[in-house]
Amino acid sequence: GDKVKQSPSALSLQEGTNSALRCNFSIAATTVQWFLQNPRGSLINLFYLVPGTKENGRLKSTFNSKESYSTLHIRDAQLEDSGTYFCAADPPPGGNYKPTFGKGTSLVVHP
Amino acid sequence: GPKVLQIPSHQIIDMGQMVTLNCDPVSNHLYFYWYKQILGQQMEFLVNFYNGKVMEKSKLFKDQFSVERPDGSYFTLKIQPTALEDSAVYFCASSLAWGGNYAEQFFGPGTRLTVL
Repeated sequence: GDKVKQSPSALSLQEGTNSALRCNFSIAATTVQWFLQNPRGSLINLFYLVPGTKENGRLKSTFNSKESYSTLHIRDAQLEDSGTYFCAADPPPGGNYKPTFGKGTSLVVHP
Repeated sequence: GPKVLQIPSHQIIDMGQMVTLNCDPVSNHLYFYWYKQILGQQMEFLVNFYNGKVMEKSKLFKDQFSVERPDGSYFTLKIQPTALEDSAVYFCASSLAWGGNYAEQFFGPGTRLTVL
């Protein structure tokens, strides 16, 4: 099965509403990254997390390594938030050096 | 934020030809990565490279693929010969370290490869 499972796979939000995306890990992740791939295809770094929580503007992310999940909260969604959100997990040093991406959450924000 | 550059942005070649994709990573970064993405699907890890050596590669990193970074210049992905299934967008990334607080990866804009 998928080592990094993202949910939901697709999401439609009305402008101004809030939502949460989630990644569940079946690998021993030590760090997590969240990216937004915009409609032009570019990857934008959103968060890089060791276990804990970070916040940046309308976005907030938590990584709980003990329970093997990470969440990305979007507050007051805007049209420019549309795109595909990926999480990626790194295994610990000393293991393999293979970052693993989830399949992404496709988000559409509409007026 | 830190910038990773990729050259070219698009490449169209005939099946069986050789192609080299170039990546200019963040200047002080030590770990380099290639990923393959087909039509906006999942980002698939190909390989990572450190200190002149491949550290890890996936099943997608076929024998026809090779990577190198001669003398601190471009980090390159060479495919020889190319096959139709190699058509995809190839992303390069780099990070300062592996694991811990300095392993954040920064991605280039991608090279769209079309094999005819």
